[in-house]
Amino acid sequence: AQTVTQSQPEMSVQEAETVTLSCTYDTSENNYYLFWYKQPPSRQMILVIRQEAYKQQNATENRFSVNFQKAAKSFSLKISDSQLGDTAMYFCAFMKPQGGSEKLVFGKGTKLTVNP
Amino acid sequence: KAGVTQTPRYLIKTRGQQVTLSCSPISGHRSVSWYQQTPGQGLQFLFEYFSETQRNKGNFPGRFSGRQFSNSRSEMNVSTLELGDSALYLCASSFGGGEGYGYTFGSGTRLTVV
Repeated sequence: AQTVTQSQPEMSVQEAETVTLSCTYDTSENNYYLFWYKQPPSRQMILVIRQEAYKQQNATENRFSVNFQKAAKSFSLKISDSQLGDTAMYFCAFMKPQGGSEKLVFGKGTKLTVNP
Repeated sequence: KAGVTQTPRYLIKTRGQQVTLSCSPISGHRSVSWYQQTPGQGLQFLFEYFSETQRNKGNFPGRFSGRQFSNSRSEMNVSTLELGDSALYLCASSFGGGEGYGYTFGSGTRLTVV
């Protein structure tokens, strides 16, 4: 079974600075997807960024980028120019393709606080 | 377009009762998944439905059940509630099931069992 580990329960950063959230996972699969989700106090899980394991290039979405190290099974999220609205829980998630009935396996989350 | 809608937002039930939660997916989405979120266990997969059929199920007791209607709306039911069932229940939808594009989540139903 796949497992996802987020080793930083809480982190804080000053507004406009850069922060990196860590995520490692364990799987014997070669083809899979990785995600970062954000959960603000509104409770809705919002997709931040996704990475396909067979793609070498790291995914980027505006201020959000990942460092995907497949051999090391590491998938960290970098947030540049942090904004107050980035304050939230961040969850790393793994998904194995199963022809349509996929499920997400989540880490325990990192609580990120952006300070003014 | 409208997002994933979950009702009710909050629910308080007594131990031993049963409860039904509702999820309306994004229009055109046919896959609906349910997750339980607790401080201790984190986010855990309950089950996934597609075209009214359960395709995948997590490791939860039989007290947890669900169904999907022809319009893709889904309900989950928990019978004989226990204190440990207190959690945020999140619903997520996609066109056909993940497909690597991730899911769109609702804002959840906060269930408190007293």
